[in-house]
Amino acid sequence: DAGVIQSPRHEVTEMGQEVTLRCKPISGHNSLFWYRQTMMRGLELLIYFNNNVPIDDSGMPEDRFSAKMPNASFSTLKIQPSEPRDSAVYFCASSSRRRGEAFFGQGTRLTVV
Amino acid sequence: DQQVKQNSPSLSVQEGRISILNCDYTNSMFDYFLWYKKYPAEGPTFLISISSIKDKNEDGRFTVFLNKSAKHLSLHIVPSQPGDSAVYFCAALFQGAQKLVFGQGTRLTINP
Repeated sequence: DAGVIQSPRHEVTEMGQEVTLRCKPISGHNSLFWYRQTMMRGLELLIYFNNNVPIDDSGMPEDRFSAKMPNASFSTLKIQPSEPRDSAVYFCASSSRRRGEAFFGQGTRLTVV
Repeated sequence: DQQVKQNSPSLSVQEGRISILNCDYTNSMFDYFLWYKKYPAEGPTFLISISSIKDKNEDGRFTVFLNKSAKHLSLHIVPSQPGDSAVYFCAALFQGAQKLVFGQGTRLTINP
C-alpha cells in the first residue's frame, strides 16, 4: 500500500484565496483525521471522520475551515478565505483499529502571504 | 488548554547513551498512550504504545514507562543511535475514543 497520500505537498497562496487540501487514506481504514502542526501548539486535531461521517469537529478553528469525506477513499480540507495565521503543516491520517495507531501522510505545507 | 505536555522542546544526547523523553498529562480519563517519531518533511510514524493497565512496555531499544499517579510517561531509548535524531511526540487516547491528543513534541539530537 502507498500509505496515506496528501496533495499538494506545498501550497503558497495569497490572503483571501480559497485553499483546498486533499487526502487519500489507506484502503480499508475506516477513520480519517486532519491535524495541523504549529510550533506553538504542536499537533492539533482539527476534525475526524469515522466511516465517512464527521464525528468530532471541535478542533476546527473557525467557520472559514470546512472538511468533507464524500467516500471512503477521499477527503478534503478547505479554507476560505485563507489568512496568514493559517500557515502551518496540515497532516491527514487514517486508522483501522479503535486502539490502533494512526498512519500519517507526508503533510501539506501551507503558506498564506 | 494543553492536556498533553512535553516540557522539553529539545534534548541532546551522545551516541550510545540513554535518551529519556518525558511527557505529562492532565486528564485522568486518558487510558492509552502512544509515542510517535517524526523526521523533517515526513509525517509522524508510530513508535510504541502503552495501556493504562500497564506501567512498562518494551520494544527493542525503546521502552515506555507510565506512572499513573504522577500522570507522567517517559520514553527511554538505549543505546541511542544517530538515526534516532527526530522530533518525538507523545499522544493520548480517551477510553472508547479514536481521537489522539498530542503534545508539542521534543526534538532529540544524537551526537556522534
